[in-house]
Amino acid sequence: EPEVTQTPSHQVTQMGQEVILRCVPISNHLYFYWYRQILGQKVEFLVSFYNNEISEKSEIFDDQFSVERPDGSNFTLKIRSTKLEDSAMYFCASSRTRTNTGELFFGEGSRLTVL
Amino acid sequence: QQQVKQSPQSLIVQKGGISIINCAYENTAFDYFPWYQQFPGKGPALLIAIRPDVSEKKEGRFTISFNKSAKQFSLHIMDSQPGDSATYFCAASRGGGTSYGKLTFGQGTILTVHP
Repeated sequence: EPEVTQTPSHQVTQMGQEVILRCVPISNHLYFYWYRQILGQKVEFLVSFYNNEISEKSEIFDDQFSVERPDGSNFTLKIRSTKLEDSAMYFCASSRTRTNTGELFFGEGSRLTVL
Repeated sequence: QQQVKQSPQSLIVQKGGISIINCAYENTAFDYFPWYQQFPGKGPALLIAIRPDVSEKKEGRFTISFNKSAKQFSLHIMDSQPGDSATYFCAASRGGGTSYGKLTFGQGTILTVHP
């Protein structure tokens, strides 16, 4: 069964360092997303991406964050200068269509710990 | 206005019992209401979803009840099994514009089914 894969599964970094989280969406999907989940809290939308540009972003997704699809398979989330409060589980998701089905397929997440 | 409120935070049910999780939303523009199931160490996975033009949707042991006037919806798990033990998130999204795939999640309910 096709799945969204994310790397690394866990990254520990020092405050102020740059972090890149990588995702390989399901191959025939066209819409890509990043969500995050701070420990014990709800899953929160960060950004959606389609046709090589951001479709929508939340207020969390400030200038420290960026997304990129550098090739035909990878989708990355970069945090330029990490803060303690960026510690969270980051989920990549993808969907095949643009319909409002809510049928997003999530990866297993990348846990980011900022010290 | 974008919030989705979920209760209870945790739920313990005996095997064979009925698990009921409730959600309420504020934004009347929401038009799609999925439920996601998340096991430890995994990403959320779509369980069942409903649109506001129907009041109930059933898939196997899982049923969504939807009350548009009250802006509430609930998940019922019949004949609950230990394998159902997981965190359940309700969510909502609205179509139109660039909001496809932008899910607003509830806080989550940790369900434990005792054998």
